[in-house]
Amino acid sequence: DVKVTQSSRYLVKRTGEKVFLECVQDMDHENMFWYRQDPGLGLRLIYFSYDVKMKEKGDIPEGYSVSREKKERFSLILESASTNQTSMYLCASSLGDRVLYFGPGTRLTVT
Amino acid sequence: DQQVKQNSPSLSVQEGRISILNCDYTNSMFDYFLWYKKYPAEGPTFLISISSIKDKNEDGRFTVFLNKSAKHLSLHIVPSQPGDSAVYFCAAILNSGGSNYKLTFGKGTLLTVNP
Repeated sequence: DVKVTQSSRYLVKRTGEKVFLECVQDMDHENMFWYRQDPGLGLRLIYFSYDVKMKEKGDIPEGYSVSREKKERFSLILESASTNQTSMYLCASSLGDRVLYFGPGTRLTVT
Repeated sequence: DQQVKQNSPSLSVQEGRISILNCDYTNSMFDYFLWYKKYPAEGPTFLISISSIKDKNEDGRFTVFLNKSAKHLSLHIVPSQPGDSAVYFCAAILNSGGSNYKLTFGKGTLLTVNP
């Protein structure tokens, strides 16, 4: 079974803080993705990566950055958290068979 | 510009009946489609997919139909069970033949199956 883990299920941060969301997959997948889910907006792609040290902007990259130093790990960074970044963050990975495997999500609240 | 649309935010059906979830897309270059199911506080899980060269794919109680001329796909669940109650997301891929691709998701439809 593919396993995608995210470092925290729930996180509360203050406005202006730097926030790190970590994602690890154990299946040697090349592709990794960060999405956020908001009510009425569905799943929106923030950043993705096809290989180590590679990154591509998704549909809503503003206010975020990413890091992929190792194949199994893909980090999402909020440089200066804002209240409009309160959301459910979902990490996913895939091997190239077009199916994404998602982690359990991190519910981030920025106060 | 929303390229994948799920126009029904919610759907309620009786246990044992058919659930039909709909999805429309605007980009004719999408060539692979997937359905995901999501329970609260969990990540989405893959349900079923279909390539644009097919018009139907079936897996147990789940069947996906694709109408390319109408740019429309639907997910049929027969018979519906209370455990099917979840949010269902439709997703599409552009030029899925390569190893590098991304999924574009719809906004989701909340299905409630009443006992």
